[in-house]
Amino acid sequence: DAGVTQSPTHLIKTRGQQVTLRCSPKSGHDTVSWYQQALGQGPQFIFQYYEEEERQRGNFPDRFSGHQFPNYSSELNVNALLLGDSALYLCASSLWFDEQYFGPGTRLTVT
Amino acid sequence: DAKTTQPPSMDCAEGRAANLPCNHSTISGNEYVYWYRQIHSQGPQYIIHGLKNNETNEMASLIITEDRKSSTLILPHATLRDTAVYYCIVGLGANNLFFGTGTRLTVIP
Repeated sequence: DAGVTQSPTHLIKTRGQQVTLRCSPKSGHDTVSWYQQALGQGPQFIFQYYEEEERQRGNFPDRFSGHQFPNYSSELNVNALLLGDSALYLCASSLWFDEQYFGPGTRLTVT
Repeated sequence: DAKTTQPPSMDCAEGRAANLPCNHSTISGNEYVYWYRQIHSQGPQYIIHGLKNNETNEMASLIITEDRKSSTLILPHATLRDTAVYYCIVGLGANNLFFGTGTRLTVIP
């Protein structure tokens, strides 16, 4: 049983560009959450998708948006990239309100 | 806002029990205590959670005080592979987890 998978593993972008990160949840899970983890910090909650709708959102600007597809996979989009957006982006899947299982993350570097 | 307080770092000898404390004095009656760990450069890994009673699984034991204001995660026989950052999280459910800075546990040979 494949766990949570994320793509790409690493990517480098330039300030002002846009980026899309992808996540496939663990088999049987219907809820996807996204977190940002800056170096040396704990993960910070961005938002959560359930039934293709954003259900909860953390303290992140509208530049951060997402989508969930009928197969429960999800995308995180970040527009107008800033240097401060450089971080490890983590996807977690779960059944609604059950414990979350995290993927390995996507390392984003903004130059 | 942080709901938990954990020591920034701890050491433990290999083969000994690792006891990781967590204070959550403002926990409400319906909030759970969750523990996750993050091994370097990997995604966080779920360990265990509890509401009131002590819990045990194949990875660890969770001891919650009677007043629920603190808890202890116990790794019964620490190995080098248990070296990681351990996060204690309080919440209504497993959604919207608020991670603090955790405790960096180093298991020493």
